[in-house]
Amino acid sequence: GAVVSQHPSWVICKSGTSVKIECRSLDFQATTMFWYRQFPKQSLMLMATSNEGSKATYEQGVEKDKFLINHASLTLSTLTVTSAHPEDSSFYICSQNDRDKNEQFFGPGTRLTVL
Amino acid sequence: GQSLEQPSEVTAVEGAIVQINCTYQTSGFYGLSWYQQHDGGAPTFLSYNALDGLEETGRFSSFLSRSDSYGYLLLQELQMKDSASYFCSFDQAGTALIFGKGTTLSVSS
Repeated sequence: GAVVSQHPSWVICKSGTSVKIECRSLDFQATTMFWYRQFPKQSLMLMATSNEGSKATYEQGVEKDKFLINHASLTLSTLTVTSAHPEDSSFYICSQNDRDKNEQFFGPGTRLTVL
Repeated sequence: GQSLEQPSEVTAVEGAIVQINCTYQTSGFYGLSWYQQHDGGAPTFLSYNALDGLEETGRFSSFLSRSDSYGYLLLQELQMKDSASYFCSFDQAGTALIFGKGTTLSVSS
C-alpha cells in the first residue's frame, strides 16, 4: 500500500508561534490529501482536504487563515498552524486515498504541544 | 446530518470473540470501513464493505447491511495485541472519511 510520512513526529512550541507540518507521499502521487486532528481519547476529525495545485477545502468550523494548507506537488502537502495556542495542542494526521483498494493510508501523525 | 454510532468501550479476554457494532446516518454512502488505532499511533486499515454481507480477513470479519445502515466488526481469537481503538467510518465518493467516536477494546489474559 501507499506509504505516507510526516515530519516532525512531535513538536513543542510557545504560544503565538507558527508550526509547519509536512506530509509526504513516498510511493504514490496524490492529487488529494486529507488533514485530520485528534484530541486525546477522541475520534479523528477532518480538518481539510488538500488539493494539488488549488486551494484546500476546509470543513465547517476550521479557520482557513489559522490552518494554512499548501499542496504544491503531488507528493507534498503542508499544514501550518499559525499563531498557535494551547488549545491547538493535538495529534495532526494526514492521509491519502487509494481508491483502487478503497482504503486510506495515514501518516504516522504529528503531536503538537503548545505551551 | 452525518453520524456514526459505536460503543465507547468493550472488554474481553484472550481467545474470546468480540463484535463491535456501528450504525450510521448519511445522505450519501459508498462503503463502511474499519480502522484500528493503537495508543499514540496512526490508524491502520482493517476492512471495507461496499456491498451487503460479510467480508473475512483472517481473524477479523466485517459485515454491512445497507438497508439497516448497520455494520459490525468481528474479532475472533482475541490476542492482547488487539487492545486498541477501533473506528468505523464511511466515505462519500472518494472524499475524506467520516469517523465514528471509536470503541476502545481492552483484552485481558
